[in-house]
Amino acid sequence: DAKTTQPNSMESNEEEPVHLPCNHSTISGTDYIHWYRQLPSQGPEYVIHGLTSNVNNRMASLAIAEDRKSSTLILHRATLRDAAVYYCILRDVNSNYQLIWGAGTKLIIKP
Amino acid sequence: ETGVTQTPRHLVMGMTNKKSLKCEQHLGHNAMYWYKQSAKKPLELMFVYSLEERVENNSVPSRFSPECPNSSHLFLHLHTLQPEDSALYLCASSQGSSRVETQYFGPGTRLLVL
Repeated sequence: DAKTTQPNSMESNEEEPVHLPCNHSTISGTDYIHWYRQLPSQGPEYVIHGLTSNVNNRMASLAIAEDRKSSTLILHRATLRDAAVYYCILRDVNSNYQLIWGAGTKLIIKP
Repeated sequence: ETGVTQTPRHLVMGMTNKKSLKCEQHLGHNAMYWYKQSAKKPLELMFVYSLEERVENNSVPSRFSPECPNSSHLFLHLHTLQPEDSALYLCASSQGSSRVETQYFGPGTRLLVL
C-alpha cells in the first residue's frame, strides 16, 4: 500500500504558483520522496525527488519539512500543460525501493 | 518522447486469444518494468527485470507471462485473459533499481478484453 496521503484534487489559475501537499508520517530516515506526474493519455513522467534538503530543477521545487513527515511540490508558474495527476511516492527498503503508487492529486488548471 | 516505446498502442482481444505486448527502450538502461493501470485504481507493479533476470514478481496471474530477451526489449505475453484484465499496460525502464533511480515510462498499451 502507498505510504503517502495526498488530496484527491486541486484547482489553480494559469500562471500562478501551485503548492501540492503530501503527508508521509511513517517515513524512515533512508526513504526518498519521489514525485511523478501523469498527463492525460500518457505514461507517468518523473518530476523531482529528495531526501532531506529542498530540491530544485527545471520543472519544479520540492520543499521537505524539517521532520520529513510532509513535503510540498511547488510549480512556480502553472500552465495548462501542467494539468495532470501528481503522485508523491516513498521509496523504501520494505518495498525493495520500488515505486508504490497511490491515487495522486488531480491538478486542474483554469485559464 | 521518453525513449521508451510500446506496441501496439491499442489492442482488443477475446478471452481465448493469445497476444503479446512489446516494449523497447533506447536509453541504455539495465532494468525494465511492467505496470498495470486499471480504471480508478493506482498503478500496480507486475514484473521487474534487472540485467535481463526477473527480480520481482508480485503474484501476477499466470495468464500474464513476461519475457526479457535482452536489456532493450521486454514482452508481455497474454493468454486466456479475463474482462477484468482490461487496462492500460505501461512499460518503464531505469538505469538501475536503487531508491534514487528515475523510471522512464512508455505511452502504454490500452487493452480491452471482450
